[in-house]
This record gives sequence, structure tokens and C-alpha cells, in this order.
Amino acid sequence: DAGVTQSPTHLIKTRGQQVTLRCSPKSGHDTVSWYQQALGQGPQFIFQYYEEEERQRGNFPDRFSGHQFPNYSSELNVNALLLGDSALYLCASSLSPGGTEAFFGQGTRLTVV
Amino acid sequence: QKEVEQNSGPLSVPEGAIASLNCTYSDRGSQSFFWYRQYSGKSPELIMSIYSNGDKEDGRFTAQLNKASQYVSLLIRDSQPSDSATYLCAVDVDSNYQLIWGAGTKLIIKP
Repeated sequence: DAGVTQSPTHLIKTRGQQVTLRCSPKSGHDTVSWYQQALGQGPQFIFQYYEEEERQRGNFPDRFSGHQFPNYSSELNVNALLLGDSALYLCASSLSPGGTEAFFGQGTRLTVV
Repeated sequence: QKEVEQNSGPLSVPEGAIASLNCTYSDRGSQSFFWYRQYSGKSPELIMSIYSNGDKEDGRFTAQLNKASQYVSLLIRDSQPSDSATYLCAVDVDSNYQLIWGAGTKLIIKP
């Protein structure tokens, strides 16, 4: 049973560029949440997708957008990258939006130079 | 502003002793509480969840919840060097799985 998988694992981008990160949820899970974790900090909630719609959003600008596909996989897109966007991006999947534990992928380390 | 507070540490504990990690939260309406372990450079791994006041035990781990005092703690018995990691407390405030996270406590188990 595959767990949550994210790709790529590492990425280096230049300021101003755009990036797409991908996530496949754990088998049987239908909800995907994205988090940003800066060094030495706890994860910060970006948004959550369920039934191909953004259900909840944290305090992130519109440069951060996402998508969920019919097979429940998800993408996180970040436009006009800033140096401050450098972080570990985590995808978590769960069965339904609330009330269950979430399982994390291995993360994507994004470095903006 | 909904907040989760943890002592950043590091907390140093001798091997075989009990490690005690604490977390306080600001929203009295919080319902679900989670402890995650995160090794350096890796993603968080769920180790305990607790939803009701009292203690919940799972192997060497015990989570304790006190909603009146708004704190949740994690005890690790018979600490091992492999327990050395950062422990993150997360709170599901609105029951929609928008977790609010503490910054984590770094735990070091000394052989």
C-alpha cells in the first residue's frame, strides 16, 4: 500500500519563475492538504482540496494556487517566486476533510535563488 | 489569532529516562490534538492523536490532554537515541483538518 508520494523531492528555481509540485495521496484517501514549512518552524497550512475543490485556505497570497484531479492527486502551483518561498512543501492526505489523522509525503524542498 | 505554543528546546534527556514534552493552545474550542515526530530533513510522522481529556497510551508513548487548562503533553518512556527528533504539536481547531502547528521541541536523547 503506497503512502503519500510527492515529486520532485528537491527543486531549485530562480526568483520570478513559476513552480508546480505534485502529490499522490495514500490509497483510499480523498482529501489533500498542502503545507509550507520554513526552517525551524512548524508547518503552515496553505490550502485543502476535496472533491476537486479548494475547501479551506490559509493566509497565503494568490500566487499560491492548486488543483485536485479526479484520481485525488493534487498539484501546488506557485507563481512569481520570491526568495522567501524557499521552504519544505508538505502534502498530507486524509480520508474526508475532517476528523481523521493526516499522513504526510516526504516533502519537496524548494530553493529559490 | 489561534496559536499553539511549544518550548523550542533543546530538551536533553538521558537514555532510558522519561521525556516530557508540553504544548499549550489558545482556542478553547479545539477538539483534536496530534503529536508528530520529525527527523531532520524529513516530513512529520504521526505518532499520537488524542480527542478526550485524560491519558492515551500507545507503547512507550502517552499523550495527556487537559482541555480546561488548554494543554496537551507527550511522555516518552524508556527514551532511546532513536527518539531524538523534533516533536510537533498540532491542533485541529475547526474540525476541518486545518491544523495549527507549534514550532516544535527538539529532543535529544543522550546515550
